[in-house]
Amino acid sequence: EVQLVESGGGLVQPGGSLRLSCAASGFTFRSHVMTWVRQAPGKGLEWVASISGRGGNPYYADSVKGRFTVSRDNSQSTLSLLMNIVRGEDTAVYYCAKDWQQLDSWGQGTLVTVSS
Amino acid sequence: SYELTQPPSVSVSPGQTASITCSGDKLGDKYVCWYQQKPGQSPLLVIFQDKKRPSGIPERFSGSNSGNTATLTISGTQAVDEADYYCQAWDSSTVVFGGGTKLTVL
Repeated sequence: EVQLVESGGGLVQPGGSLRLSCAASGFTFRSHVMTWVRQAPGKGLEWVASISGRGGNPYYADSVKGRFTVSRDNSQSTLSLLMNIVRGEDTAVYYCAKDWQQLDSWGQGTLVTVSS
Repeated sequence: SYELTQPPSVSVSPGQTASITCSGDKLGDKYVCWYQQKPGQSPLLVIFQDKKRPSGIPERFSGSNSGNTATLTISGTQAVDEADYYCQAWDSSTVVFGGGTKLTVL
């Protein structure tokens, strides 16, 4: 059974940094693109970033490009999202998801709140 | 950037057929998938590659995609199907979501 467990969310001040993690199990992690998706309170889903199975070729939404960095550790089956220079509009539940043409498994999400 | 448009809300009576549309430029040339999201829960993939159902998704869920419009159809809608539904496509190495449709079963 595929399991994705996010962690690292919390309260962060505007301009600050935060690192999210996603622990994966139940599938061959290194063989799959992994994706971060966020959902602001009461709003829809927004793609954030994706990274290929080997860790190269990251792709970012324009709204986070240059501020967020997606990475992965295939030896630990872990996906990460480093969030820098955060803004109020980054407040959201952040989900990690498996694959990217269709997101067939999702974690439970971790809440990031950007506020002073 | 590519955009997908969904109606904000759709209402259906129990037992009837609900149709939720998703429109985008030449959408029929892309694969579309659909997610169901209930309050407080993570999204759940219900349709992928336009019309395929993942294991465990009831047969009453079906999909189609042609021209500029993809459609999620729920036949014999049940109260348990009340949720937000999002379409999604993949374009130029980006994941694109529609704005979501709230399905009300009343």
